[in-house]
Amino acid sequence: QKEVEQDPGPLSVPEGAIVSLNCTYSNSAFQYFMWYRQYSRKGPELLMYTYSSGNKEDGRFTAQVDKSSKYISLFIRDSQPSDSATYLCPPQRNNNDMRFGAGTRLTVKP
Amino acid sequence: EPEVTQTPSHQVTQMGQEVILRCVPISNHLYFYWYRQILGQKVEFLVSFYNNEISEKSEIFDDQFSVERPDGSNFTLKIRSTKLEDSAMYFCASSDQGLGANVLTFGAGSRLTVL
Repeated sequence: QKEVEQDPGPLSVPEGAIVSLNCTYSNSAFQYFMWYRQYSRKGPELLMYTYSSGNKEDGRFTAQVDKSSKYISLFIRDSQPSDSATYLCPPQRNNNDMRFGAGTRLTVKP
Repeated sequence: EPEVTQTPSHQVTQMGQEVILRCVPISNHLYFYWYRQILGQKVEFLVSFYNNEISEKSEIFDDQFSVERPDGSNFTLKIRSTKLEDSAMYFCASSDQGLGANVLTFGAGSRLTVL
């Protein structure tokens, strides 16, 4: 069983739409839940992270963790064409082994 | 804002040649990583480095790969005898991992083309 499962998409939405990106994970020991964004031909960059359960909001982005169901979500409000990227939710296991899945490719059409 | 710097941005080499990719991590970071991304595929973990030694490596990181921190600032990835399938974007990353979330900062990448 993979540690993190993520729908690879691609997901295409019109500008202004609310986007929901989701991951499920299997290891209940995870405590930090990250979202990285990768633009085409660029390195991933941290978007935001949450610790344990709950929500965290940063501008148009909200990260949500439900530890009881092992489900993590990233919501993007008022999506913009500049949000078009691949979104990754790597599990944090330890300092030394940080692996990324395929991510979900999002396209926001003007 | 501090950044991770990678050189060269693009290198073209012949199959069988040695290649060295260079990275300057963020100065107060202690953990260093190399990843690769073949075009259209996911970012793949190669190796992590801490306290002047490899701490984790993936099954991709075989004997043709090596890493080194030759001085206090550079972190290099060497590919001894390149193969066509080594053509990819190589990303360096670093983190300061104290307590808490391990936030990686990535460089812009080095594109390697093996002919």
